[in-house]
Amino acid sequence: DADVTQTPRNRITKTGKRIMLECSQTKGHDRMYWYRQDPGLGLRLIYYSFDVKDINKGEISDGYSVSRQAQAKFSLSLESAIPNQTALYFCATSAHPGLASTDTQYFGPGTRLTVL
Amino acid sequence: AQKITQTQPGMFVQEKEAVTLDCTYDTSDQSYGLFWYKQPSSGEMIFLIYQGSYDEQNATEGRYSLNFQKARKSANLVISASQLGDSAMYFCAMRDPAGGSARQLTFGSGTQLTVLP
Repeated sequence: DADVTQTPRNRITKTGKRIMLECSQTKGHDRMYWYRQDPGLGLRLIYYSFDVKDINKGEISDGYSVSRQAQAKFSLSLESAIPNQTALYFCATSAHPGLASTDTQYFGPGTRLTVL
Repeated sequence: AQKITQTQPGMFVQEKEAVTLDCTYDTSDQSYGLFWYKQPSSGEMIFLIYQGSYDEQNATEGRYSLNFQKARKSANLVISASQLGDSAMYFCAMRDPAGGSARQLTFGSGTQLTVLP
């Protein structure tokens, strides 16, 4: 089984709809992240969380919100989807950096979201 | 200012040959990390290799090695003995040194590698 899973894998929705993307991990990592990828570009950070009670905005948080329901679960919501939020969304996790960890981020398979 | 620069939008290599994908970065911090990820056409992001700024030796992972030249601020990925399955987009990323506790990754724009049979 994959260590980082995302649901749904694909979603088509209409402008104005509320959408939730979910991420679960079995890696036991404290840190979780949401990124989006637009065609021809690298990934950009939307939100990140270092533990259950910690939520931080990333580079492009406008129009998004997140919830860290448990150490293993981190969901991303689009409150009112718009077409320019059409993108590939990735969840990632990393361990707390330390002597035994490089805090490498491990990514889920991605969710392809289309907003019409 | 762009922190990670990948100047090769596309690269071709013959199967079984080696290929170098370029990455330069910009930082004033002394402690940082550099990563390479592979993104096949199926879309997932696969971690390949990591280099810490204080690591004295170049990182290696199987057929992947990282040519780390700190003074030149470059972290090129070398793939030896290319295989058809290596055809993918490759991203260089840096752990953000200026973000305090953020430790977020900043990604380059990627290089599309095509391995020719």
